[in-house]
Amino acid sequence: KAGVTQTPRYLIKTRGQQVTLSCSPISGHRSVSWYQQTPGQGLQFLFEYFSETQRNKGNFPGRFSGRQFSNSRSEMNVSTLELGDSALYLCASSLQGGVTDTQYFGPGTRLTVL
Amino acid sequence: AQSVTQLGSHVSVSEGALVLLRCNYSSSVPPYLFWYVQYPNQGLQLLLKYTTGATLVKGINGFEAEFKKSETSFHLTKPSAHMSDAAEYFCAVSDSSYKLIFGSGTRLLVRP
Repeated sequence: KAGVTQTPRYLIKTRGQQVTLSCSPISGHRSVSWYQQTPGQGLQFLFEYFSETQRNKGNFPGRFSGRQFSNSRSEMNVSTLELGDSALYLCASSLQGGVTDTQYFGPGTRLTVL
Repeated sequence: AQSVTQLGSHVSVSEGALVLLRCNYSSSVPPYLFWYVQYPNQGLQLLLKYTTGATLVKGINGFEAEFKKSETSFHLTKPSAHMSDAAEYFCAVSDSSYKLIFGSGTRLLVRP
């Protein structure tokens, strides 16, 4: 099976712009989660989607949003970019998103905000 | 609220030496615990996980971890370090609300 894929792998944006990141989960996986990784804050949960519904959201401002499509692919959007949004954004998929499910991570999208 | 503490942001060992990476958790419910490894410019790869049953969990690449409820610990070990083990390691606990809570990570350096 193909793993989790994320596109693009690298992005450079300027403050005030908006960006959309894409994630394709492992075939058959219905849960997709997004995490932000920064040197200062570490790995932080953004949100989780299951069957096109957001089931949980982390402590991020409303500028961060996401969605999931019927084929389980997911996108996350960040509007009005700030310098502090520079990070590695990781997507993870699992079968059902249950507490014991293994989350399989993609390689990430590295976003740089100038 | 659940939380994870990893002691030591950097651990340095010689090739062939024992690897010990420490993880303590805080949880009011039975925890489900994970260890992930991250190589430079890559995502996270699962090493092993504890859900229920045997407290000594074996993972990939010769790693294992022991769940000790009395100590609220889930330390990761490997008997003999290889140069290829150099990476960052994350301990995580699964939250009931569909998310992983990660520790701050430990960077493992392996000296030749």
